[in-house]
Amino acid sequence: EAGVTQSPTHLIKTRGQQATLRCSPISGHTSVYWYQQALGLGLQFLLWYDEGEERNRGNFPPRFSGRQFPNYSSELNVNALELEDSALYLCASSLNKNTEAFFGQGTRLTVV
Amino acid sequence: KNEVEQSPQNLTAQEGEFITINCSYSVGISALHWLQQHPGGGIVSLFMLSSGKKKHGRLIATINIQEKHSSLHITASHPRDSAVYICAVKGGGGSNYKLTFGKGTLLTVNP
Repeated sequence: EAGVTQSPTHLIKTRGQQATLRCSPISGHTSVYWYQQALGLGLQFLLWYDEGEERNRGNFPPRFSGRQFPNYSSELNVNALELEDSALYLCASSLNKNTEAFFGQGTRLTVV
Repeated sequence: KNEVEQSPQNLTAQEGEFITINCSYSVGISALHWLQQHPGGGIVSLFMLSSGKKKHGRLIATINIQEKHSSLHITASHPRDSAVYICAVKGGGGSNYKLTFGKGTLLTVNP
């Protein structure tokens, strides 16, 4: 069975551009979480989607947004990129919020 | 003070040694995760536990809810165990949807 898959694995953008990151959860999982791991910092909660709806978001500006599609895959969009948005973005999925989360390999976003 | 504290931050061991990584947390939780992150970034979930002890191969995780403390043990360590080990807690009540992470423990096992 396929795990959580993220694409692309690496993404280089210039300041001010928009980045779109994609995540496909494990089949049957309806909850998708996005986390940011900036250099030198721990993982920080970004967004939680469940059953197609944004359920909660972390302490990030509105430039960070996303959506969950009917097949439960998810997109994370980062607008007006800033240099400090350079980070590893990890997606995780779970059956629901009470069950174990499984992580993808991440997308490394570099803003130059 | 971080909600999740791990110790040590860095750990170097010789192959075959018994390893212990500790995690303390200050909030009520519904579950605790131990995660492994290799260079390159991908994260593997090792354990999720809310009480007692779990074992998988050479890995053992324990949690003491009263003391708000968990430990990850690696028996007969091997160089392939070299990675960052991250403790993460899932909050109780209204915060039980997200994980709060420790800063990780970098383990290096030398042959």
